[in-house]
Amino acid sequence: DTEVTQTPKHLVMGMTNKKSLKCEQHMGHRAMYWYKQKAKKPPELMFVYSYEKLSINESVPSRFSPECPNSSLLNLHLHALQPEDSALYLCASSHISQGANVLTFGAGSRLTVL
Amino acid sequence: QKEVEQDPGPLSVPEGAIVSLNCTYSNSAFQYFMWYRQYSRKGPELLMYTYSSGNKEDGRFTAQVDKSSKYISLFIRDSQPSDSATYLCAKERYNTDKLIFGTGTRLQVFP
Repeated sequence: DTEVTQTPKHLVMGMTNKKSLKCEQHMGHRAMYWYKQKAKKPPELMFVYSYEKLSINESVPSRFSPECPNSSLLNLHLHALQPEDSALYLCASSHISQGANVLTFGAGSRLTVL
Repeated sequence: QKEVEQDPGPLSVPEGAIVSLNCTYSNSAFQYFMWYRQYSRKGPELLMYTYSSGNKEDGRFTAQVDKSSKYISLFIRDSQPSDSATYLCAKERYNTDKLIFGTGTRLQVFP
């Protein structure tokens, strides 16, 4: 299995809803990431988990709450989001290849906040 | 100044053309440079990565790094319509898990 699987592919939620995005990889990768990507913009790093511990939080608002239950799973809990949070949310995992930290991305979860 | 700068395009070329995609970077605290390709409504996929100055070739793709001028390039030979995508250069910030992306260049190859 060489994939990062994200669910759901599409999510529409109201500003008062609570929802979660899920990410799974079975490649034994040590680190997992959440990125946010707006239309025609590059991915922006949100969080990094390394060996199941949160290692980087890019000053993301608390309405986004990451969770890493085990080395294969990564969740992003969403609560009280704003319309401007509508974006493609990308999960990635990484491994070291010839010294380089190589990221494998999932297809993304497209979020629309009404 | 952004750490990685990239011309957003769009770049439109005929099938069979040689494509040159370029990035500049400002922070020398790096380890590796990478090129990702992103098709519409998909996640980015890694094309190539390179560390040292010089060229690295993989099929129709060649990555080039010039550390003295802080310039990285991706060349695509014999471009195909299936190469139509956004190409993102990225660099790894030294001793971190952070990958910094350029803005991406949208490429269209027409038949």
